[in-house]
Amino acid sequence: DTEVTQTPKHLVMGMTNKKSLKCEQHMGHRAMYWYKQKAKKPPELMFVYSYEKLSINESVPSRFSPECPNSSLLNLHLHALQPEDSALYLCASSPSGNGGGQGSGNTIYFGEGSWLTVV
Amino acid sequence: AQSVTQLGSHVSVSEGALVLLRCNYSSSVPPYLFWYVQYPNQGLQLLLKYTTGATLVKGINGFEAEFKKSETSFHLTKPSAHMSDAAEYFCAVTSGYSTLTFGKGTMLLVSP
Repeated sequence: DTEVTQTPKHLVMGMTNKKSLKCEQHMGHRAMYWYKQKAKKPPELMFVYSYEKLSINESVPSRFSPECPNSSLLNLHLHALQPEDSALYLCASSPSGNGGGQGSGNTIYFGEGSWLTVV
Repeated sequence: AQSVTQLGSHVSVSEGALVLLRCNYSSSVPPYLFWYVQYPNQGLQLLLKYTTGATLVKGINGFEAEFKKSETSFHLTKPSAHMSDAAEYFCAVTSGYSTLTFGKGTMLLVSP
């Protein structure tokens, strides 16, 4: 079973709200990722967690705060977002991260995404 | 450094026709190559990947791709298009311990 589950599917939030996106995988993967995808564009990497430690932060604004409570869960906390942050947020996982990368061509498995609209 | 170029932001085919989506890569070390498909309002699904070994890789839904090192290419093909193949297709590359680099994507349009 290669499944990454994301909740909620859709989220509308105001610019002063605090909300969270959640991601879960039960494949025993040790690397988890957050990507942001705007319409008609490829996914852009935001964060990588490898063995539950943040290994890559692609200069993401501090209004996005990731958290990895355990090896199966990944959260993205959102606060004081801007309308331009509206996008599809994709969670992903892979068997190993080896310090940030995929390692030996491991496949990255993606969730269905959370559609975020900031109003 | 690594990069991916997908030729053509849109490709249109008729149902039953050959599908050919082009991908060229740049990598300073041996690459690992992937094709993902994204249906409307969904996440990315892996179609196929090349790591090592056989250069002709077969994937899901009748798709296949051939790794050609001399041409730095990894083009995606399917002999006969179905309406259900209409989607965005992303080629991606990683070089062992680097993160995944995506191409800009190619939208496949299939007409009856």
